[in-house]
Amino acid sequence: QKEVEQNSGPLSVPEGAIASLNCTYSDRVSQSFFWYRQYSGKSPELIMSIYSNGDKEDGRFTAQLNKASQYVSLLIRDSQPSDSATYLCAVQRESNYQLIWGAGTKLIIKP
Amino acid sequence: DVKVTQSSRYLVKRTGEKVFLECVQDMDHENMFWYRQDPGLGLRLIYFSYDVKMKEKGDIPEGYSVSREKKERFSLILESASTNQTSMYLCASGTHYEQYFGPGTRLTVT
Repeated sequence: QKEVEQNSGPLSVPEGAIASLNCTYSDRVSQSFFWYRQYSGKSPELIMSIYSNGDKEDGRFTAQLNKASQYVSLLIRDSQPSDSATYLCAVQRESNYQLIWGAGTKLIIKP
Repeated sequence: DVKVTQSSRYLVKRTGEKVFLECVQDMDHENMFWYRQDPGLGLRLIYFSYDVKMKEKGDIPEGYSVSREKKERFSLILESASTNQTSMYLCASGTHYEQYFGPGTRLTVT
């Protein structure tokens, strides 16, 4: 079992709709979770972090965390074509603080 | 703006060659990281450094070494390149959770 799992996609969402990206992790003691966005041919950039159960909102982005289910998600409201990218979920490993990365979900927003 | 630069965007080397990948950051970060990114596998940590001359192995250090002689510069060395080291190599600096990435070096070993 991979430490961090994401559906590779592609996930195709119409412009203006809500895009929902999911991530599960195996380390029950993990406390810190991150979403990075990677445009094609570019490097990852941090867009959201979440540490507590529940929702955290930042503009059109909402991160959701459920530690009991070992599940973290990213919602993108009012999806725009510019949101088309691969979204990487990263979980901080408590034993050495390193980030463990999912393989990413490719999101396509259709105009 | 944080800037992380890498010495080459594309590199083609032959099996058995010694390969140097260099990374420079301008934000005075203590931590620097080397990852490789492969389709379906995501980013995997090769080595990281938390101070000059200090290094720790990541999840896949075999076949690689690193050097950090100055705070701003972190080098990845492939002692004897092999075809299974063909990959995208990404350098990053920052904290363990907020990392700023360079543009990447796509290395092909033939």
